[in-house]
Amino acid sequence: GQQLNQSPQSMFIQEGEDVSMNCTSSSIFNTWLWYKQDPGEGPVLLIALYKAGELTSNGRLTAQFGITRKDSFLNISASIPSDVGIYFCAGQPEYNNNDMRFGAGTRLTVKP
Amino acid sequence: ETGVTQSPTHLIKTRGQQVTLRCSSQSGHNTVSWYQQALGQGPQFIFQYYREEENGRGNFPPRFSGLQFPNYSSELNVNALELDDSALYLCASSFDSLGGYTFGSGTRLTVV
Repeated sequence: GQQLNQSPQSMFIQEGEDVSMNCTSSSIFNTWLWYKQDPGEGPVLLIALYKAGELTSNGRLTAQFGITRKDSFLNISASIPSDVGIYFCAGQPEYNNNDMRFGAGTRLTVKP
Repeated sequence: ETGVTQSPTHLIKTRGQQVTLRCSSQSGHNTVSWYQQALGQGPQFIFQYYREEENGRGNFPPRFSGLQFPNYSSELNVNALELDDSALYLCASSFDSLGGYTFGSGTRLTVV
């Protein structure tokens, strides 16, 4: 089953607001990834993190690989309507680099 | 550069039947992973193929099997279909199982 605890499950925000979501695990991860999935599509990679403490930005998105290697967060600044979708954290555990575990997702709704 | 393509996009099967799903990996990628995504859940890792060999497996029974071909395309086979096998099946490719997998749009399987 899934080992990643992702929160919150859902968010309803106003356009222009900032968003923060996070993911924690009971195991150490070598890689943290954040994906966005739109209806009827596969997940699309937003940001990949490969080193503890790493902070990476992609436009209005910023993600960090936690120092303990057991957590990560994703921030979205100045949200816009097209940010709507489901965001998943994913990670490759230290004990099995060939496996990628996903969180249950955060459903984001942006009100114009 | 073509992305990951999956076929068919939708499929309806009867309980007890067998199904084969297909995936063409992104150009330059040699690793293919398969995931099962139930409604409202994150993707669950089924198995990974690297250079035509199974290279890791999640918690799925043996009736889930796969193949990878010399051109790195892949098949997922499921025997003795059960109602709970109804899900979106996602294929993802990468180079050398490093993070940052590219996902296809998935095959929606319905078992009745």
